[in-house]
Amino acid sequence: EPEVTQTPSHQVTQMGQEVILRCVPISNHLYFYWYRQILGQKVEFLVSFYNNEISEKSEIFDDQFSVERPDGSNFTLKIRSTKLEDSAMYFCASSYTEVDTQYFGPGTRLTVL
Amino acid sequence: KNEVEQSPQNLTAQEGEFITINCSYSVGISALHWLQQHPGGGIVSLFMLSSGKKKHGRLIATINIQEKHSSLHITASHPRDSAVYICAVRRGSNYKLTFGKGTLLTVNP
Repeated sequence: EPEVTQTPSHQVTQMGQEVILRCVPISNHLYFYWYRQILGQKVEFLVSFYNNEISEKSEIFDDQFSVERPDGSNFTLKIRSTKLEDSAMYFCASSYTEVDTQYFGPGTRLTVL
Repeated sequence: KNEVEQSPQNLTAQEGEFITINCSYSVGISALHWLQQHPGGGIVSLFMLSSGKKKHGRLIATINIQEKHSSLHITASHPRDSAVYICAVRRGSNYKLTFGKGTLLTVNP
């Protein structure tokens, strides 16, 4: 069964460093999403992406964040200058249409020291 | 006030019991999702509903649009059902999901 994959599973970085989180969505899906979950808190929407552009973003998704689909398979989330409060689990998801079920990846745990 | 409220926050059951988890929302929605999150953190979609009822194995999800309420039922619960169950809603033509805080279910053998 096709699945969403994410790498790395765990990333440790120093405050102020740039990180890139990678996702490979399900191959025929057209809509891509990033969510994050701070430890002990609920999952929060960051951004959605369709047709090579951002379709919606939350107030969390400020200028420090960017997304890209650099080729036909990868979908990346870049955090330019990480802060301590960026420590969280980051989930990528994809769906075939905007109204279909979203399939989630296993997550990347980001730890900012 | 959160747009999506779940109850209970925590639920402990004995194996074989019938489980009900509730979700109430305060906004108009186009779809409601039930998701399962295991201790390792991964999230699995269980159901997507916009009306009525859906069943998959021992899981049943219902939604009442007028009352802005949904329930997730688990029949003949099993310890492997132990997880966090999360309700999430999509509003109108928005792309994003808005999540509840989740219900931690523990099923004891």
